[in-house]
Amino acid sequence: ELKVEQNPLFLSMQEGKNYTIYCNYSTTSDRLYWYRQDPGKSLESLFVLLSNGAVKQEGRLMASLDTKARLSTLHITAAVHDLSATYFCAVDQGAQKLVFGQGTRLTINP
Amino acid sequence: NAGVTQTPKFQVLKTGQSMTLQCAQDMNHNSMYWYRQDPGMGLRLIYYSASEGTTDKGEVPNGYNVSRLNKREFSLRLESAAPSQTSVYFCASSDYRPYGYTFGSGTRLTVV
Repeated sequence: ELKVEQNPLFLSMQEGKNYTIYCNYSTTSDRLYWYRQDPGKSLESLFVLLSNGAVKQEGRLMASLDTKARLSTLHITAAVHDLSATYFCAVDQGAQKLVFGQGTRLTINP
Repeated sequence: NAGVTQTPKFQVLKTGQSMTLQCAQDMNHNSMYWYRQDPGMGLRLIYYSASEGTTDKGEVPNGYNVSRLNKREFSLRLESAAPSQTSVYFCASSDYRPYGYTFGSGTRLTVV
């Protein structure tokens, strides 16, 4: 059974700082997704990582995938308030069925 | 381009009542999914449909039934609602390309 764990679950940080969210998963998969959710809203796709060593960047967010370590990271550079949200990683367990992590609630303070 | 449309957006039910959550997509996707979201637990798969005419159980199917009415529509039914089914329900769709899901806006369900 595929399990996906994120840490930390809660993260409060100051604007301008850097931080990393970790996503570990328990069984082999070569497809990993990152989503963002604002309070009371739906999930918005951020990144799709399809192979070992894949790295994607969009603005202040960068995601990477290490399939051998079963680990993905979401790195935030010079955080700004607009990045406050809950971030989910999700791993494809086959047939496009995604297993989600618990989510990381990120709060960025001025 | 509407994407994935869910109705209703909010619903309050009494224990034992039944209801159907509706989901429709206009992207010609083959696969559709129902997830529930509870605090601290991420999203958990209830049922999915890999293609028109097929449905399969996910991680938490008890207390739910689904119908894939056609390629566009995938409904979720609660036959006898229980307080444990209080949650936010998301419908999603995808095609066979590895682009992940497109999510609906969600249904916030409270069972009292």
